[in-house]
Amino acid sequence: GENVEQHPSTLSVQEGDSAVIKCTYSDSASNYFPWYKQELGKGPQLIIDIRSNVGEKKDQRIAVTLNKTAKHFSLHITETQPEDSAVYFCAANTGANSKLTFGKGITLSVRP
Amino acid sequence: KAGVTQTPRYLIKTRGQQVTLSCSPISGHRSVSWYQQTPGQGLQFLFEYFSETQRNKGNFPGRFSGRQFSNSRSEMNVSTLELGDSALYLCASSPVAGFDQPQHFGDGTRLSIL
Repeated sequence: GENVEQHPSTLSVQEGDSAVIKCTYSDSASNYFPWYKQELGKGPQLIIDIRSNVGEKKDQRIAVTLNKTAKHFSLHITETQPEDSAVYFCAANTGANSKLTFGKGITLSVRP
Repeated sequence: KAGVTQTPRYLIKTRGQQVTLSCSPISGHRSVSWYQQTPGQGLQFLFEYFSETQRNKGNFPGRFSGRQFSNSRSEMNVSTLELGDSALYLCASSPVAGFDQPQHFGDGTRLSIL
């Protein structure tokens, strides 16, 4: 299969707390896993990505971890700020790298 | 460097009409892919173009088609519009073909079918 599942569908955190968003994938051949942030009226913006030969990648307050054996990857946002509020999508390249398959998205709300 | 540009931003059509959407990729990017975004189905892959050739196509009816020009700009066309075609249509570009590299999205065209 080529499914990418994302959970939870909504997440609310207090400003300054950490947020973790998890995704699972089914295509064993997937080797590229990007995360996108989408704000209202805008297209998805790439915030971080990870390849299958790496277990973790960090960029300031954002990190992504990958567990190839379990076929899941997670986005970690530390010290959340109100401007982190948006819809976040995980994705994976599937079908022998013929397309990008997205999770359904999660709405993150950061309470001031 | 200018980002991915999609025109128009908004479109209103009626059932049975056809529509053409345009996408200008980031300068130097030769691959353009298209996606349909709806609240129920999320982001779904439509097709990818590279060097004026369609490389891959998603699970959409033949009413959805596209093309790419020699300057890498791409258009997608939807014929015989149905109510269910109401969606945000997004395009993304990347330097080369394939999806094991960052895809850069435009802000989309919002298509409403009356």
